[in-house]
Amino acid sequence: DVKVTQSSRYLVKRTGEKVFLECVQDMDHENMFWYRQDPGLGLRLIYFSYDVKMKEKGDIPEGYSVSREKKERFSLILESASTNQTSMYLCASSRDINRGGYTFGSGTRLTVV
Amino acid sequence: DQQVKQNSPSLSVQEGRISILNCDYTNSMFDYFLWYKKYPAEGPTFLISISSIKDKNEDGRFTVFLNKSAKHLSLHIVPSQPGDSAVYFCIGSGGSNYKLTFGKGTLLTVNP
Repeated sequence: DVKVTQSSRYLVKRTGEKVFLECVQDMDHENMFWYRQDPGLGLRLIYFSYDVKMKEKGDIPEGYSVSREKKERFSLILESASTNQTSMYLCASSRDINRGGYTFGSGTRLTVV
Repeated sequence: DQQVKQNSPSLSVQEGRISILNCDYTNSMFDYFLWYKKYPAEGPTFLISISSIKDKNEDGRFTVFLNKSAKHLSLHIVPSQPGDSAVYFCIGSGGSNYKLTFGKGTLLTVNP
């Protein structure tokens, strides 16, 4: 069964800490994405990557960076965590999104205190 | 600018009845629409999709209708089951492999 795995289900970090969220997929997909989900706002795209070492900003990239050194791994980095980054973070990868080939991980619930 | 709108944040129906989830869009460049559902503490999962050149797609209990002139689509679930209780996201795709545009979601509750 194909999988997108996010390393942590729950994280609690302090304001100002550097935070790494890791995502690994085993489907050999070129495209990987990071979203955040907030009540009343749905899913918003932070960054995406269409190849190793390639990245593009999504709709809300401020305060975040990403790293894609290997095809299967896409990391989201919060350089200096703030309380407004408390959210559910979802990683996804895709092959053919139009036929539902867009697979999500289970999410990481990050709380910044 | 919200290109995909799900105007009902929540919907409650009785088991066995029909659930109708609605979605409006403003971007005429979308060439595919998808519905994903999400249970709490899980990632969204693919449910059904429809090409913009079609007006209906059916998969078991789930049917999606597309009205391009009205820029409106709807997801019908018949009959509804308690296990269908989840958040449903309407999504527009511009045809690239990069980016999907999500609606804010509708929480469906199916009561036994």
